[in-house]
Amino acid sequence: DAGVTQSPTHLIKTRGQQVTLRCSPKSGHDTVSWYQQALGQGPQFIFQYYEEEERQRGNFPDRFSGHQFPNYSSELNVNALLLGDSALYLCASSRPGFTSASYNEQFFGPGTRLTVL
Amino acid sequence: KNQVEQSPQSLIILEGKNCTLQCNYTVSPFSNLRWYKQDTGRGPVSLTIMTFSENTKSNGRYTATLDADTKQSSLHITASQLSDSASYICVVSALTGGGNKLTFGTGTQLKVEL
Repeated sequence: DAGVTQSPTHLIKTRGQQVTLRCSPKSGHDTVSWYQQALGQGPQFIFQYYEEEERQRGNFPDRFSGHQFPNYSSELNVNALLLGDSALYLCASSRPGFTSASYNEQFFGPGTRLTVL
Repeated sequence: KNQVEQSPQSLIILEGKNCTLQCNYTVSPFSNLRWYKQDTGRGPVSLTIMTFSENTKSNGRYTATLDADTKQSSLHITASQLSDSASYICVVSALTGGGNKLTFGTGTQLKVEL
C-alpha cells in the first residue's frame, strides 16, 4: 500500500498563474481533504471531498477549487496565484464509513511545496 | 471560535531526556484529540488519537493525556532520540453536521541535541 501520494513534490509559479495539484488517497479511503501549511504554521483546512462533492470548506476564497474523481483521487486548483499562496499543500485521506461517531483518522501525504514568485 | 493553542512554541533538549508538550483547546462539540509528528517538509504522521472517555494513550515512547474537563492535553516523550526532532501538532476534532471538522494547533518545534 503506497499510502497517500501527491504530485508534484515541488512547483514554482509566478503571480497570476494557475496551478493544479494532485492527490491519490490511501487504498480503501474515499474521503480527501486539502490543507495549506505556511512556513512555521499549522495546516489550515481548505476543503474536503466525498463522493465527488465538496462536503466541507474552510475560509479560503473561490480562487481555490477542487475536484474528486470516481477513483477517489482529487485535484486542488488555485487560480490567479498570489505571493501569499506560497506554502506546503497537504492532502489527507480517510476511511469509508464516515459517521459522526467515527474517528475519521486522516492519513497525510508528503505534500506539494508551491512557491509563487 | 474553535482554537487550539500549543506550548512551548519551541524546545531544545538533550538526547535521552524527557519532555512534555502542552495543548489547550476551545473546540466544541468535542469529538477527539490527536497528536501528530511532522518532520520538516513532510506530511504529519499520527501518534495518538483520544476520545472524550480516554485519559491516556501510549505509542512507544510517546504518551498522550487528555483532561476533557479542563480541555487540556499533553504529549510526553521519554528517553528522547535525535529522530524525535520534529514539529508536534495537536489537532482537535469537532462534531459538525457534515462530520468531523479538524482544528490544528501551530505546533511545538522540538530539537533533540547530543
